[in-house]
Amino acid sequence: TQLLEQSPQFLSIQEGENLTVYCNSSSVFSSLQWYRQEPGEGPVLLVTVVTGGEVKKLKRLTFQFGDARKDSSLHITAAQPGDTGLYLCAGVRGETNAGKSTFGDGTTLTVKP
Amino acid sequence: ETGVTQTPRHLVMGMTNKKSLKCEQHLGHNAMYWYKQSAKKPLELMFVYNFKEQTENNSVPSRFSPECPNSSHLFLHLHTLQPEDSALYLCASSRAGGNRNEQFFGPGTRLTVL
Repeated sequence: TQLLEQSPQFLSIQEGENLTVYCNSSSVFSSLQWYRQEPGEGPVLLVTVVTGGEVKKLKRLTFQFGDARKDSSLHITAAQPGDTGLYLCAGVRGETNAGKSTFGDGTTLTVKP
Repeated sequence: ETGVTQTPRHLVMGMTNKKSLKCEQHLGHNAMYWYKQSAKKPLELMFVYNFKEQTENNSVPSRFSPECPNSSHLFLHLHTLQPEDSALYLCASSRAGGNRNEQFFGPGTRLTVL
């Protein structure tokens, strides 16, 4: 059973479209991270959300943490080909963290020019 | 520049070979991790080191042997691997403590076992 489920698994859209990807769990997390991974590279941290209901913006990317801290969403406005990649969410359980991140299985996004 | 380097970037080895993967972080972190990333599978945590002490071993077969001589360096020693061990092996580091566990990843070693 996957602790963190991401949807959709694959998403292919045209440049300029908007999209939302989801990260859902039945567990409560003390924090949640979003990463983007490009082919041939390691994941790169985009954001951390900590407070239930928190919204963070990073240029055209908007991240939201659910009120109950069990789920999160990533919304991209006016997607560009440079947004192409694998988006991973990772949840941290408990207050002492090393090794306690659980990763979702990712959403592969392709943005066509 | 992520501050985490891994060598080699690509490795092809036979099942009877012995090889080592190396990871180095220049971020002043004190926790380091090995992950395995296979196609169509979530990122799998293998080992965690906190202040050079191994704190997590996720039922990894003994043909994978980690070594952490100091907080900046992490090795993964490989011997008698199987073809199903072919994957991208990622190293990461973070600052231990607190509830964020924001990890910084290296570019990975693409391993192929023949």
